[in-house]
Amino acid sequence: EDQVTQSPEALRLQEGESSSLNCSYTVSGLRGLFWYRQDPGKGPEFLFTLYSAGEEKEKERLKATLTKKESFLHITAPKPEDSATYLCAVHPTSGTYKYIFGTGTRLKVLA
Amino acid sequence: SAVISQKPSRDICQRGTSLTIQCQVDSQVTMMFWYRQQPGQSLTLIATANQGSEATYESGFVIDKFPISRPNLTFSTLTVSNMSPEDSSIYLCSVWAQGGTSATQYFGPGTRLLVL
Repeated sequence: EDQVTQSPEALRLQEGESSSLNCSYTVSGLRGLFWYRQDPGKGPEFLFTLYSAGEEKEKERLKATLTKKESFLHITAPKPEDSATYLCAVHPTSGTYKYIFGTGTRLKVLA
Repeated sequence: SAVISQKPSRDICQRGTSLTIQCQVDSQVTMMFWYRQQPGQSLTLIATANQGSEATYESGFVIDKFPISRPNLTFSTLTVSNMSPEDSSIYLCSVWAQGGTSATQYFGPGTRLLVL
């Protein structure tokens, strides 16, 4: 069964304290892995798509990486405005369009 | 990318009533999706709505409970029927649109529903 697990569930960082969020996945085949940011009361905002092991994408303080079993979202020198829930989703080859979402990591960056 | 709006943004409803949620996209899209996000849980796909055809429902969701309309390529509605407190959730509209070199799902702001 296709599955996505994110860890940790919640993370508190001091401003400037770099860290990584993990997304482990089990799928028969991977079309793509997606990272989203979700602020309270809002819909998920698309961040990155990764397609193959070894691929990396960067945007400001965020960098996403992908291996055959997991993805990491690295946050470098975070700021309070980076506080949000970060969602990971996979698009397996077994389905035509259905994404499998993790439950997210709630990040809080303290000033 | 795509810009998606939803109405209402939130509502409080009584048990046994129905609520229709509207989703409007700023461009024509073939595929629109409806998700539910319950507290502490991952996003769950309710159904896929293609213009000109019946919606396709995921396991555990039925048309009588969640009827969907897709009258054109920029608009869809989801109705939550005969509501119970277990239907309290965030309902999200999503579209499949081109984002850079490939298609990606983009989400609307969501509708927060509380059923008393």
